[in-house]
Amino acid sequence: GEEVAQTPKHLVRGEGQKAKLYCAPIKGHSYVFWYQQVLKNEFKFLISFQNENVFDETGMPKERFSAKCLPNSPCSLEIQATKLEDSAVYFCASSQEGQRNQPQHFGDGTRLSIL
Amino acid sequence: QKEVEQNSGPLSVPEGAIASLNCTYSDRGSQSFFWYRQYSGKSPELIMFIYSNGDKEDGRFTAQLNKASQYVSLLIRDSQPSDSATYLCAVNTGNQFYFGTGTSLTVIP
Repeated sequence: GEEVAQTPKHLVRGEGQKAKLYCAPIKGHSYVFWYQQVLKNEFKFLISFQNENVFDETGMPKERFSAKCLPNSPCSLEIQATKLEDSAVYFCASSQEGQRNQPQHFGDGTRLSIL
Repeated sequence: QKEVEQNSGPLSVPEGAIASLNCTYSDRGSQSFFWYRQYSGKSPELIMFIYSNGDKEDGRFTAQLNKASQYVSLLIRDSQPSDSATYLCAVNTGNQFYFGTGTSLTVIP
């Protein structure tokens, strides 16, 4: 598609439950990025993919967070055993080439609320 | 030290004035620079990007890059109330994409 599509828009989970978020990048874009925005404007990089391969995962919490981009499927970000501090808006972005000189285009985000 | 620093504001300017937003970055090898606008509750929207030293103009927006001083700025001429938003500076170091924490701009009618 012409836009980065994220689903669901809102997700509510009880503490300890699993949360799974989805992202379909713009058609033709080979790079996908996940960010976490906890406070109003603090963007935290989580992970990036080049097609189905992990490109950079330096921002990923190792213990409970995982992500995949499989062929012919939306990319996913999964959080196991959620904690209150996981409450945030999770943004997905895609770009046409690598990070070099290419802007990222963002989806509308998934607002995750952990109760 | 953060990779990208912005004054969080809030910055208030009267309608019609020039709004000046500034951003500094720490990695001298940074290659490309982006300004995003984010309205409350919405996703970031790309408004400008710049790769080379100097100025780049697009309508009411001008991005300025000074690699020697490691800063990039965004000027908004003839500010409108609809420009009221948070402006995020993003820097591509070649290895990763870093965002600043954003500057909140309010244009007062």
